[in-house]
Amino acid sequence: GAVVSQHPSRVICKSGTSVKIECRSLDFQATTMFWYRQFPKQSLMLMATSNEGSKATYEQGVEKDKFLINHASLTLSTLTVTSAHPEDSSFYICSARTGIGQPQHFGDGTRLSIL
Amino acid sequence: GESVGLHLPTLSVQEGDNSIINCAYSNSASDYFIWYKQESGKGPQFIIDIRSNMDKRQGQRVTVLLNKTVKHLSLQIAATQPGDSAVYFCAEKSGANNLFFGTGTRLTVIP
Repeated sequence: GAVVSQHPSRVICKSGTSVKIECRSLDFQATTMFWYRQFPKQSLMLMATSNEGSKATYEQGVEKDKFLINHASLTLSTLTVTSAHPEDSSFYICSARTGIGQPQHFGDGTRLSIL
Repeated sequence: GESVGLHLPTLSVQEGDNSIINCAYSNSASDYFIWYKQESGKGPQFIIDIRSNMDKRQGQRVTVLLNKTVKHLSLQIAATQPGDSAVYFCAEKSGANNLFFGTGTRLTVIP
């Protein structure tokens, strides 16, 4: 149980392109989903927290207009990297939980490479 | 500010030996701790968690120990196997705040 699916697993695109990443909770309803960014050999850095039906809460230093988050249902959240540039290349990971105090379960990440 | 850090960035153990991965935290208000395992190219996988009202919790081949006095958390893996090779992160949380990840320890199991 508690499976989180992330798609695509890898994407390579040209600078200036917008890229959408999907995060789905397959066997549970996720009241809250989280988006992280991870650079090589580093830890996970929280970008934003999204609750179903409300606007995402972004961490300090994360541009909300650059990283658009939509949490339209209890099983789906999307992260759109708008007008991506090479410095946006990274490993993006989502997680989901059923409620406060419950463990977060992670997707397998999306490797984004901007040329 | 709060910080979660690991004493050793890398750890190598012989297959069959026990592994101990350590983690220090500085936020005394943290009340929930989780260990995650991350294999190359994948997302973190939940291993075991512990709340601050406990000092020990056991799972299958894993044990987490929490010492609130010195703000120290450890993950013990019994009879370490090659499949245990990965990066291990501790994460901590206080109240309704978000999860905060430590820097990670790479465990390498030598066959």
